[in-house]
Amino acid sequence: LAKTTQPISMDSYEGQEVNITCSHNNIATNDYITWYQQFPSQGPRFIIQGYKTKVTNEVASLFIPADRKSSTLSLPRVSLSDTAVYYCLVGVYNTDKLIFGTGTRLQVFP
Amino acid sequence: ETGVTQSPTHLIKTRGQQVTLRCSSQSGHNTVSWYQQALGQGPQFIFQYYREEENGRGNFPPRFSGLQFPNYSSELNVNALELDDSALYLCASSFSGAPLREAFFGQGTRLTVV
Repeated sequence: LAKTTQPISMDSYEGQEVNITCSHNNIATNDYITWYQQFPSQGPRFIIQGYKTKVTNEVASLFIPADRKSSTLSLPRVSLSDTAVYYCLVGVYNTDKLIFGTGTRLQVFP
Repeated sequence: ETGVTQSPTHLIKTRGQQVTLRCSSQSGHNTVSWYQQALGQGPQFIFQYYREEENGRGNFPPRFSGLQFPNYSSELNVNALELDDSALYLCASSFSGAPLREAFFGQGTRLTVV
């Protein structure tokens, strides 16, 4: 499974756009990129998944360049409730064993 | 609400004891995975059960064992508890082969070993 590297922490203010970049140089051809969000003392929650180019849903956008060696999770206009740890995972599309890194701790300030 | 419930929510055990954690899967899901999350770390895969059989295991010793029942609920058993076993234990329920977005985690059980 491809190893991922992401910043340990990020700070932002309410209303700003937050971009979290994940590096995955050894991504395989059939790997997808998936992001999870985790609040303290709760289980991770799926945010978004993509294979290439751009994916958008009601909570986030995922940008994947052509070489797929990195990806960027974009959270538009964050609020205090977006304070959480965000994990980037690379692996197969279906419900395989998930390999989490240490994630990015996002702190949103008022 | 994910439909995945874990019990108990918190537990304190003494080193050397045994513990059983329980997970009730979301209706219709036939696969359950267990993860250990130490403080400040990401969840680490322990093992997965599919149709009552172990279907993959992470780097955990044999004293970590599990069961999946015909109703797809599951147990995680840990024998000979060590201080380093203190962690949040998460179960994730899914339907085999479904997209990752359809894997749902419970709230976890916080285990403290003293």
